[in-house]
Formats: sequence, C-alpha cells, structure tokens
Amino acid sequence: GAVVSQHPSWVICKSGTSVKIECRSLDFQATTMFWYRQFPKQSLMLMATSNEGSKATYEQGVEKDKFLINHASLTLSTLTVTSAHPEDSSFYICSARPSGAGIDEQFFGPGTRLTVL
Amino acid sequence: DAKTTQPPSMDCAEGRAANLPCNHSTISGNEYVYWYRQIHSQGPQYIIHGLKNNETNEMASLIITEDRKSSTLILPHATLRDTAVYYCIVLIYNQGGKLIFGQGTELSVKP
Repeated sequence: GAVVSQHPSWVICKSGTSVKIECRSLDFQATTMFWYRQFPKQSLMLMATSNEGSKATYEQGVEKDKFLINHASLTLSTLTVTSAHPEDSSFYICSARPSGAGIDEQFFGPGTRLTVL
Repeated sequence: DAKTTQPPSMDCAEGRAANLPCNHSTISGNEYVYWYRQIHSQGPQYIIHGLKNNETNEMASLIITEDRKSSTLILPHATLRDTAVYYCIVLIYNQGGKLIFGQGTELSVKP
C-alpha cells in the first residue's frame, strides 16, 4: 500500500516549452502533496505544498508563476514548469500525505528527471 | 527550526553494522527525528522515526540521546543494497509537517 507514482519518469524538452509532471497517489487519497527539486549531487529542496482544492503554498525563492501547481483531486497533483530553460533541468520529486493521516506521514514518488535543451 | 548536521560520507564493510550519526542540538521538545534514505536517482524511502525513546523496526534501529541533541541510525548488517544517501530530518510540526532535507550522509557499503 501507500504507493505514489509520477509521470513521466523522464522528459527532454526544448527551451521555452512547458512541461507538466503528474503525481498520483495510487491506493490512497491525499489532501496534501509536496513538490521537491533536486540538482545533481545536492539534497532535496522543498518547492511547495499543495493542498487539494486550494492554492499551493510556495517556499521562499520559488517562482509561483514559473512552477504552476494544481491539486484538483485527492489523488492527483500536477507541476507545470512554464517556459522551461536549461537551468530548470533537475530531478523533481513529489510526496503525498494520506488524508486523515498524521502530519508526519508522507510517501514519496520515484521522481521525474527533466532535461531542458 | 531545528537543523541537522551529518558527516558527508561514510564507508562500511558488508555484513558489519553501519552507525550513522546526526546532530540536532536545537530540536524542540515535541519534534520528532526522521530518517530517510535515497538510493541514486530514486525517491526517498522512509526508514524510521522517534521522539525520545530508542526505536527499532525491520530496517534499522534509532538511538536518541537522553538530551535529544543527537541520534544514531544503526543498520545492523549492512548490505551492498544499503549504499545510499541517508537523511536525518527534524519534522517541523508548526509548518504543516514539512520535511526540510539537509545534506545527508553518503554511505558506501563495500564488499
């Protein structure tokens, strides 16, 4: 149980295009999901907290107009990287907290590797 | 916010116990210590967590000092598949349970 999937697992796109990454909780509902970014040889950096039916809360320094987050259902959150540039190339990871679970429960997805040419 | 300090890297012989230290000297009384690990190019995997008592599960043991300022994750019989980056994290309860990852310890298990 408690499986989180991400799609796609990797994507290559041209500079200036937008890319959408999906995060799904497969066997549970998740009111809250989190999005992280990880550059090579670095740790995970929390980008934003996504709550179903409301606006995401972004961490300081993360451009909300650049990284659009939509959490329209209890099993799906999407991250859209708008007008992607090579510096946006990174490993994007989501996590999901089961609805009604303790604040400390999170299950991570396998990550999506984005390469912008 | 409690921050954690871990050694950047450690080596361990296969079959031996791996002891990974973590310093969290500014931890508050109701904040839990969590351990995750990340195998290369995968999402983090939960290992164990604790408040003040020692904890053990099928993966590892967690030893927390009495003053709660530091802890040690113990992998009792390390295997090559335990090679990963191990993160010690203090959960921020008053900020919606956010996990703030530090730099972690890169554990290399060698034959």
